Amino acid sequence: DGGITQSPKYLFRKEGQNVTLSCEQNLNHDAMYWYRQDPGQGLRLIYYSQIVNDFQKGDIAEGYSVSREKKESFPLTVTSAQKNPTAFYLCASSRAGGSYEQYFGPGTRLTVT
Amino acid sequence: AQSVTQPDIHITVSEGASLELRCNYSYGATPYLFWYVQSPGQGLQLLLKYFSGDTLVQGIKGFEAEFKRSQSSFNLRKPSVHWSDAAEYFCAVGENTGNQFYFGTGTSLTVIP
Repeated sequence: DGGITQSPKYLFRKEGQNVTLSCEQNLNHDAMYWYRQDPGQGLRLIYYSQIVNDFQKGDIAEGYSVSREKKESFPLTVTSAQKNPTAFYLCASSRAGGSYEQYFGPGTRLTVT
Repeated sequence: AQSVTQPDIHITVSEGASLELRCNYSYGATPYLFWYVQSPGQGLQLLLKYFSGDTLVQGIKGFEAEFKRSQSSFNLRKPSVHWSDAAEYFCAVGENTGNQFYFGTGTSLTVIP
């Protein structure tokens, strides 16, 4: 089955630790995205990548980093510099271009204490 | 700048009643418009999309949406709501250049028996 996988579903970390969230897609999509979702705030774009080895900052990139070494993978690292990391994180992918719909993974809920 | 407004944070309807969720967008060119649904703790699922042509588009699960350029709106409708439709609904606009989507803040739908 084609789709997007995110792992793990739930993630717990202590404050001050970096943590990496996994996102893999087998849809052969060029573009991939990371969003953060907080209650009442909708989806906010963290980073996106239109092609391998290239990515751009979204609206809330501070405290996050990404890599795109393979077309199918776009891991997100939440660093200790992120002031408020507890949130629901969604990964998405699409064909290149804003006219194409984005397909979403099931999300990872990160809790930092 | 592009933006999407969903004026209703929360809507409650009775099962079997009709539903209309509002979405207004701000975009200079012809927009690409989408509606997504999200069940609690899950990713987003595409309900329908508008690119061009017929302004009334049909989607999955019995939903439809109408694009009205004069009102900059793309409202989602369903003639008869089922209890399983209770979820969060997001409207989004995609750029026709570049890869970014802009999401509304969502409308939470409660269905009462």
